Amino acid sequence: DAKTTQPNSMESNEEEPVHLPCNHSTISGTDYIHWYRQLPSQGPEYVIHGLTSNVNNRMASLAIAEDRKSSTLILHRATLRDAAVYYCIRDQGAQKLVFGQGTRLTINP
Amino acid sequence: SQTIHQWPATLVQPVGSPLSLECTVEGTSNPNLYWYRQAAGRGLQLLFYSVGIGQISSEVPQNLSASRPQDRQFILSSKKLLLSDSGFYLCAWSLGLAGGTDTQYFGPGTRLTVL
Repeated sequence: DAKTTQPNSMESNEEEPVHLPCNHSTISGTDYIHWYRQLPSQGPEYVIHGLTSNVNNRMASLAIAEDRKSSTLILHRATLRDAAVYYCIRDQGAQKLVFGQGTRLTINP
Repeated sequence: SQTIHQWPATLVQPVGSPLSLECTVEGTSNPNLYWYRQAAGRGLQLLFYSVGIGQISSEVPQNLSASRPQDRQFILSSKKLLLSDSGFYLCAWSLGLAGGTDTQYFGPGTRLTVL
């Protein structure tokens, strides 16, 4: 079971940080956590991934709990273009991704 | 750099008609290829994936089929479309890295409406 749990929706204001949570309580020690996002009427795009330690790239930061049962995607300064559905996915190394319902992020101007 | 193409961008087809959607990737060799479907307001459902020419794995039984006639070409087909086949069809590619670090790159999608 590659299930992750995310809130259905979140709302934030422009230029403020956004913390998107994800629970993956049954994760195994070798499963990576991947985040993708899907802008309206587009295909998903890769955001970030990590295993144990926190990760940063130009798009976002990923904070992984010490017990790895949860993680948080951090957008440091949200813009209107960050409005999208964000998917948290456990990658079990099978070269297949199982997308859940994700979190619909709304950014208010 | 790598590019993924899908066509057509939109398609309206009658029930019972055939379907052929094409996906091509440029700038990489021997990619993993994937077909997903997204019904209106729903998440992505993996339909097929391929790790090489002629190798197709089906994830969900349905009236769709996939083929990979060339290394960087992936085709989704149906002999007779159903109303339930309507949706947003997405093709994706990846390098096929093992160990959970593989990243998928998605095409622009085809929006199919079956009437």
